[in-house]
Amino acid sequence: QVQLQESGPGLVKPSETLSLTCTVSGGSISSYYWSWIRQPPGKGLEWIGYIYYSGSTNYNPSLKSRVTISVDTSKNQFSLKLRSVTAADTAVYYCARVAGIVGATQYNWFDPWGQGTLVTVSS
Amino acid sequence: QSVLTQPPSVSGAPGQRVTISCSGSSSNIGAGYDVHWYQQLPGTAPKLLIYGNSNRPSGVPDRFSGSKSGTSASLAITGLQAEDEADYYCQSYDSSLSGSVFGGGTKLTVL
Repeated sequence: QVQLQESGPGLVKPSETLSLTCTVSGGSISSYYWSWIRQPPGKGLEWIGYIYYSGSTNYNPSLKSRVTISVDTSKNQFSLKLRSVTAADTAVYYCARVAGIVGATQYNWFDPWGQGTLVTVSS
Repeated sequence: QSVLTQPPSVSGAPGQRVTISCSGSSSNIGAGYDVHWYQQLPGTAPKLLIYGNSNRPSGVPDRFSGSKSGTSASLAITGLQAEDEADYYCQSYDSSLSGSVFGGGTKLTVL
């Protein structure tokens, strides 16, 4: 059974770069799309972007200018970098596998999810 | 402002039936893209509840069901139980954004 675990700093200063890693266990990162999703405290879910194990990506247009998602198949990990963060980027960040027919992103869903990690942007 | 619109809250007594709506537009649900539902218990990560409009993953009770029509979708919960108290989110794809979109979430209270 595939499990995902987010890791990274819980506190980031304004204007700096948020960096998180998701480690996939119980299965290979290959042949799937993987995604990052965030949830500000007390608010709803926001899709950040996804990456295929080959490295192709797609990002939420509202974050595209600041986001980079990368993959390291040798470590069975994928990562998120969000640049120039502000307090509005404070959120629980989740990683998830994109489920359904690979490549049919219009019909895909997210399963399973990691437990999430809270990142606070503050000086 | 979420692309998909859900009521902020719904409530029902144990044993009752409740429905949660998810309203979209011609660039997402109305375009034929599938709707999926997640349950988020307090302090936990979202969990897949319904995929492909009406399919239940293994382990999800048949008290939960999903449907889609036109530019909207619905999640129905029958035989309401205390442990169903959670936040529920719908998700689909939007062609204008070329990516996944979520509803704002609905808090279900079991009276």
